[in-house]
Amino acid sequence: KAGVTQTPRYLIKTRGQQVTLSCSPISGHRSVSWYQQTPGQGLQFLFEYFSETQRNKGNFPGRFSGRQFSNSRSEMNVSTLELGDSALYLCASSPGLATGTQYFGPGTRLTVL
Amino acid sequence: DAKTTQPPSMDCAEGRAANLPCNHSTISGNEYVYWYRQIHSQGPQYIIHGLKNNETNEMASLIITEDRKSSTLILPHATLRDTAVYYCIVRVNNAGNMLTFGGGTRLMVKP
Repeated sequence: KAGVTQTPRYLIKTRGQQVTLSCSPISGHRSVSWYQQTPGQGLQFLFEYFSETQRNKGNFPGRFSGRQFSNSRSEMNVSTLELGDSALYLCASSPGLATGTQYFGPGTRLTVL
Repeated sequence: DAKTTQPPSMDCAEGRAANLPCNHSTISGNEYVYWYRQIHSQGPQYIIHGLKNNETNEMASLIITEDRKSSTLILPHATLRDTAVYYCIVRVNNAGNMLTFGGGTRLMVKP
């Protein structure tokens, strides 16, 4: 089975721009979660989607948003980019809800200049 | 979810067992203990989890004390590829898959 894939793997943007990151979960997995990892804050939960509905949301500003499609693929969007948004963005999938077992993708490294 | 405490770093000789401790003294009866690791620049990888009993799989063993206030992840024969940051996470499996990561333990396996 193919693992979680994320595109693009690397991205460079400038302040004020917006960005969309994509995640394809493991086949059959219906839950997709997103995390941000920075050297200062570590790994932080952004949000989780299951069956196209947002189930949980972390403590991030409204500039961070996401969605999930009927095929379970997910996208996250960051608008009005700030320097502090530079981070590794990780996507994880799970077969169902209410399990702590998640399978992570390789991440998208976003650099904001 | 209960908080966890892990040493920031540990060393282990290649071929020896690596024993990574985790303190979760405020754990509730319905909270599970999960272990993940993150090798440099990769996404975290699930290792093992347990509720009360000790667990073993092809990657590691998880030993949970009888009072459940602490646990130990054991890598029986550490290799250089086991060098990573190891995260101990405690959570209730009742709603959602959200994981709350702490600082973890940076394990360095040395030849």
